[in-house]
Amino acid sequence: EDQVTQSPEALRLQEGESSSLNCSYTVSGLRGLFWYRQDPGKGPEFLFTLYSAGEEKEKERLKATLTKKESFLHITAPKPEDSATYLCAVQTSGAGSYQLTFGKGTKLSVIP
Amino acid sequence: ETGVTQSPTHLIKTRGQQVTLRCSSQSGHNTVSWYQQALGQGPQFIFQYYREEENGRGNFPPRFSGLQFPNYSSELNVNALELDDSALYLCASTSSIQGGSPLHFGNGTRLTVT
Repeated sequence: EDQVTQSPEALRLQEGESSSLNCSYTVSGLRGLFWYRQDPGKGPEFLFTLYSAGEEKEKERLKATLTKKESFLHITAPKPEDSATYLCAVQTSGAGSYQLTFGKGTKLSVIP
Repeated sequence: ETGVTQSPTHLIKTRGQQVTLRCSSQSGHNTVSWYQQALGQGPQFIFQYYREEENGRGNFPPRFSGLQFPNYSSELNVNALELDDSALYLCASTSSIQGGSPLHFGNGTRLTVT
């Protein structure tokens, strides 16, 4: 069974204090790893897709990386508006449909 | 470009009742999926629709059913509601049935079962 584990569950940072969120996964065949951001009361907002080990993608203060067992979301000099829950999800091969298995998320709070 | 829209935004039902949730997919997207997100959890895959047929299902009982219409909009129906069905129900659409392009989510319907 595919499993996605995110750590830490919650993270408090001072504005400008860089850090990383972790997503470890156990899947039978990875087709893609996705990062989403979710604000309270809203649906997940797409951030990145990573397909193979060694791949990196960047968007503003966020950088996502992928290895064969885990992915990291690096946040550089965060601002209060980066506060949200960050979700990691995997799509696995063999499934006839496009279904994602999500982790529970990391709740990030950035304090001014 | 219009995103994924869901209605209603909030709903309160009594145990045993039936509910229908609605979703309009993003323009140009022909594949719709439904996810259930309990409080403090990640979304869980319910099922996916493509060309008006269900083509993938997660670990949910048959009382969860759906429809997709020719304009790619979709409905999620839940019969015999249970207290554990209380959750945020998310609809997502994409232009790729197999993957390769991201799922775009709506803001969900918050269902409370009392």
